Amino acid sequence: DAKTTQPPSMDCAEGRAANLPCNHSTISGNEYVYWYRQIHSQGPQYIIHGLKNNETNEMASLIITEDRKSSTLILPHATLRDTAVYYCIVRGNYGGSQGNLIFGKGTKLSVKP
Amino acid sequence: DGGITQSPKYLFRKEGQNVTLSCEQNLNHDAMYWYRQDPGQGLRLIYYSQIVNDFQKGDIAEGYSVSREKKESFPLTVTSAQKNPTAFYLCASSKAWNTEAFFGQGTRLTVV
Repeated sequence: DAKTTQPPSMDCAEGRAANLPCNHSTISGNEYVYWYRQIHSQGPQYIIHGLKNNETNEMASLIITEDRKSSTLILPHATLRDTAVYYCIVRGNYGGSQGNLIFGKGTKLSVKP
Repeated sequence: DGGITQSPKYLFRKEGQNVTLSCEQNLNHDAMYWYRQDPGQGLRLIYYSQIVNDFQKGDIAEGYSVSREKKESFPLTVTSAQKNPTAFYLCASSKAWNTEAFFGQGTRLTVV
């Protein structure tokens, strides 16, 4: 089962920041937080991942709380093309099945003009 | 271009027939994965391979088989034992078992 909880859906106005929350209260010390998104009928796209420090790349920023029990993915200036299902995944940094990506149902983000 | 190629994009088969889905990557990745997605649901792991000539069952392996004879190829066979084979199938690869995975564009299988 997925180790994360996300709201099923969110709306965001075009050009505004989209802040997608994720709860992972049972995360352990060596587990990473990964974010992927899936545009309708396509394969998921990797966005970003982090352990405990905040991370930023050309797509998004990842803010992880100090206790690591929750995180927020930030799309700074959402566009219509950012409309997708966003998956927050906790992944172990060890081999075997514990290192696999386990997808929940994600958050469907709708960016509106 | 480097990437993961799944073919075909759409596949139709009659009930009771085995069918093999292709997944090829030229990223020199060691690990490869197969997922299944049903409408409105997240992805579920079928099989994974962390290195060539080795593979492991995922959460829903029953009715499926794989091989990993070459580093770049990880074909998935959907057998007649799979009760509900109609689904969207996604292949992924990663440089190592603990690095980010990249996905192909998927094969939509319809069994009639």
